[in-house]
Amino acid sequence: EAQVTQNPRYLITVTGKKLTVTCSQNMNHEYMSWYRQDPGLGLRQIYYSMNVEVTDKGDVPEGYKVSRKEKRNFPLILESPSPNQTSLYFCASSLSLTSGRETQYFGPGTRLLVL
Amino acid sequence: KNEVEQSPQNLTAQEGEFITINCSYSVGISALHWLQQHPGGGIVSLFMLSSGKKKHGRLIATINIQEKHSSLHITASHPRDSAVYICAVETNFGNEKLTFGTGTRLTIIP
Repeated sequence: EAQVTQNPRYLITVTGKKLTVTCSQNMNHEYMSWYRQDPGLGLRQIYYSMNVEVTDKGDVPEGYKVSRKEKRNFPLILESPSPNQTSLYFCASSLSLTSGRETQYFGPGTRLLVL
Repeated sequence: KNEVEQSPQNLTAQEGEFITINCSYSVGISALHWLQQHPGGGIVSLFMLSSGKKKHGRLIATINIQEKHSSLHITASHPRDSAVYICAVETNFGNEKLTFGTGTRLTIIP
């Protein structure tokens, strides 16, 4: 089954404790992206990757890191989480065409609470 | 002012009604996406448009590039259509970056 998986689905942590949210897709997609969703602000793009070893900042990259060492995986790293990073996080992937993306497949979301 | 504005923010309708959700944007775009977020939180891509009109089942999406406007229509609405509908635009050609509207919460009453 074609899917994007994220782990963990729920996480409670404390300020400053490094964490990684994993994202994996089994569709051989070139494009992967991370978003956060906050009430009243909607979805905002954190980072995206157009292929292995190619990543770029979205609208809200501060406090986050990503890496794309393999095509299927795109982990999101919070080196020193802070309470303002409490949010619902989504990973997504799609084929990358020269003119843009086709259908995006979203992961189930990771709900993060930073105390 | 947000680059992507959706209206209405909330919409309640009776089952069977024809639904229209609007999306306006203020920048040049290479494509526009419509997404559906279910009450449980999962997100599904509905359409990607760069011109004209697309149809999938009871859903129709249109875009007018000159007017910087897109609409999502639902015919013969059903309670299972209740969800948040989100518009997103690719604002930089070849850059593949997405900017989102804040969504329209649709509730269909049986």
